[in-house]
Amino acid sequence: AQTVTQSQPEMSVQEAETVTLSCTYDTSESNYYLFWYKQPPSRQMILVIRQEAYKQQNATENRFSVNFQKAAKSFSLKISDSQLGDTAMYFCAFHGSSNTGKLIFGQGTTLQVKP
Amino acid sequence: DADVTQTPRNRITKTGKRIMLECSQTKGHDRMYWYRQDPGLGLRLIYYSFDVKDINKGEISDGYSVSRQAQAKFSLSLESAIPNQTALYFCATSDPRALAGAEETQYFGPGTRLLVL
Repeated sequence: AQTVTQSQPEMSVQEAETVTLSCTYDTSESNYYLFWYKQPPSRQMILVIRQEAYKQQNATENRFSVNFQKAAKSFSLKISDSQLGDTAMYFCAFHGSSNTGKLIFGQGTTLQVKP
Repeated sequence: DADVTQTPRNRITKTGKRIMLECSQTKGHDRMYWYRQDPGLGLRLIYYSFDVKDINKGEISDGYSVSRQAQAKFSLSLESAIPNQTALYFCATSDPRALAGAEETQYFGPGTRLLVL
C-alpha cells in the first residue's frame, strides 16, 4: 500500500527567508503524481504545485519549487522569500496510476512565517 | 474556489441523528470525492464517483453513504451520527479529460466542519 510521510509536524521561518518542507512516500508504481496543498486558517485546500513522476525536471510555481528525488522517493517543497500569507498547514499528497481516484495525504506540516 | 461549494459550512448535531452534507460544482468535472480530515491524520477518502452511475467506497466508508444526484451534485450522508464522526469534511472534483498531467489534480470545496455531540 502507498503511504506518505511528513516528518515535520511544525516549522517556522522568518519572513523573506527560505524554508523546505519534507515529504517521503512509498510505492511500487513507476508512474504517479505528487502534489503539495496549502491549507490556511480559512481551511480551504489550495493546490500549490504538482509533479508528474515521469518528468525529471522539478516543478516550479513562482516562489514555490520542489526537489523530486524519484529513487529516494522524496518530494520536498521549497518556499523562497517567505511571506506572512504563507502561514498555513501544508499537505503532501500522492496519486497512483491505478485510476482509483484516491489521493493519499501525509499528516501535514504547520508552517508559521514570523515577521 | 467558488467552483466547488459545500453546504452547510458548519453543523452541530447529536448522536443518532441523520445528517446530509451537500456538494455542488460548476467546473463540469465528472469525478467527485468526499474526504474527511482529522488532526494528525491528513485527509482520508470516504467515497468517490467517476460519473453519475458510478459510486465507489474509499478507505473509511463505514457509517457513511453517498448519492450522486447529477454530474454537478454529490451528497454525503451520516445515517446515525456518532461522536467519532466529528471532523472536517471536504468535497473535491477532478477532470479526467484535462491536459496531460492535470487530469489527476483534485480541486477542493471550502469544507464542512461537523461536530457530533
